Amino acid sequence: TQTVSQSDAHVTVFEGDSVELRCNYSYGGSIYLSWYIQHHGRGLQFLLKYYSGNPVVQGVNGFEAEFSKSDSSFHLRKASVHWSDSAVYFCAASMNQGGRALIFGTGTTVSVSP
Amino acid sequence: GALVYQYPRRTICKSGTSMRMECQAVGFQATSVAWYRQSPQKTFELIALSTVNSAIKYEQNFTQEKFPISHPNLSFSSMTVLNAYLEDRGLYLCGARDETGVTGQLYFGEGSKLTVL
Repeated sequence: TQTVSQSDAHVTVFEGDSVELRCNYSYGGSIYLSWYIQHHGRGLQFLLKYYSGNPVVQGVNGFEAEFSKSDSSFHLRKASVHWSDSAVYFCAASMNQGGRALIFGTGTTVSVSP
Repeated sequence: GALVYQYPRRTICKSGTSMRMECQAVGFQATSVAWYRQSPQKTFELIALSTVNSAIKYEQNFTQEKFPISHPNLSFSSMTVLNAYLEDRGLYLCGARDETGVTGQLYFGEGSKLTVL
């Protein structure tokens, strides 16, 4: 079974702080990983993706993520958060054997305090 | 740019009635379209995936009889929730991929929120 897990359900940070959101996956083959953000009552917005090459990928709005095969992880980071970063963040994976559908993690809610 | 439009954004229907929702990819040729349901608890369930030159593949717990999907071309897809009940409520998201292969980016619409009374 291929799974995506996000260990933190909720993270609270102050504006200007750094944040790291954890994502781990279980799958032995080639994998496509991505992060999405969902603001309250909205759809999913794409942040970044990784499939091969440089394990550190840059995304929109200062987000970056690092792939680690040894840790089976794809953690998302931002050096300095803004209040508008308050949202739910979803890690997603597509296994090359599974067609082209994404499997989502359960999401991490980020609350940014002023 | 590449966009996915979904409508209606919100629907309230009576228990036992049906609701049709539409998804349109604009600015790109969608090689595959996936329908998801986001439950009130925020988790995503894949309902079905349709890919160029392949039949629509439904996931376990979802059937064509309950969630019929029509896609005359891969820029347009519609799905109906037949005989909707309380457990069918949630946000239905359409995701369209813009190129062949697993690395193509998936664009999502804003979703169609279904409330069942």
